[in-house]
Amino acid sequence: EIVLTQSPGTLSLSPRGRATLSCRASQSVSDNYLAWYQQKPGQPPRLLIHGASSRATGIPDRFSGSGSGTDFTLTISRLEPEDFAVYFCQQYGSSPFTFGPGTTVDIQ
Amino acid sequence: QVQLVESGGGVVQPGRSLRLSCAGSGFTFSTFGMHWVRQAPGKGLEWLALISNDGIIKYFADSVKGRFTMSRDNSKNTLYLQMSNLKIEDTGIYYCASGQKLIRPFDYWGQGTLVTVSS
Repeated sequence: EIVLTQSPGTLSLSPRGRATLSCRASQSVSDNYLAWYQQKPGQPPRLLIHGASSRATGIPDRFSGSGSGTDFTLTISRLEPEDFAVYFCQQYGSSPFTFGPGTTVDIQ
Repeated sequence: QVQLVESGGGVVQPGRSLRLSCAGSGFTFSTFGMHWVRQAPGKGLEWLALISNDGIIKYFADSVKGRFTMSRDNSKNTLYLQMSNLKIEDTGIYYCASGQKLIRPFDYWGQGTLVTVSS
């Protein structure tokens, strides 16, 4: 099983700030099949990034993903009020399709 | 548009069983691989199981293997999760999700159904 670790646990930033979220895998993620999701209270997760760096349909370009192998990053270049949420990474290259524990981005 | 609607959640005692359903609409259900994901209250996401579009391939997380089964009825556009020998730690919101193909991220999610295991 691939274990995903996310850091930091919480990121406190101001609107228009830049957020950098990390996801580290215990072993190499097959074909960089690494996704990022955003979740707001009372809602299901929403896919942001897949294949480590490809934005999902309709996702603004202030969201970007990078990385390969075991180290991945989600960057939000300029935080909008609606971006304050919890972010999860997930590897979907091999079963079990594990999720990271999440990073909360909250308003400073 | 793709819509997934879960149902069947509720309060159940430890050791009992429960069956969840996930109804799909707005797409050709029989062509989509499907997953179940749960979220304990205030916690993160836990992938539970997958089933191929034809129902032949199934995988389960170790935490539910042997207790949960997954099936689908493509004629009814419905996915099922049969949960038995429920434990308190099975409490949470259960989502069905899909990325169309099995080795795909999850583009589509239902709103979830809450299962509470409590004596």
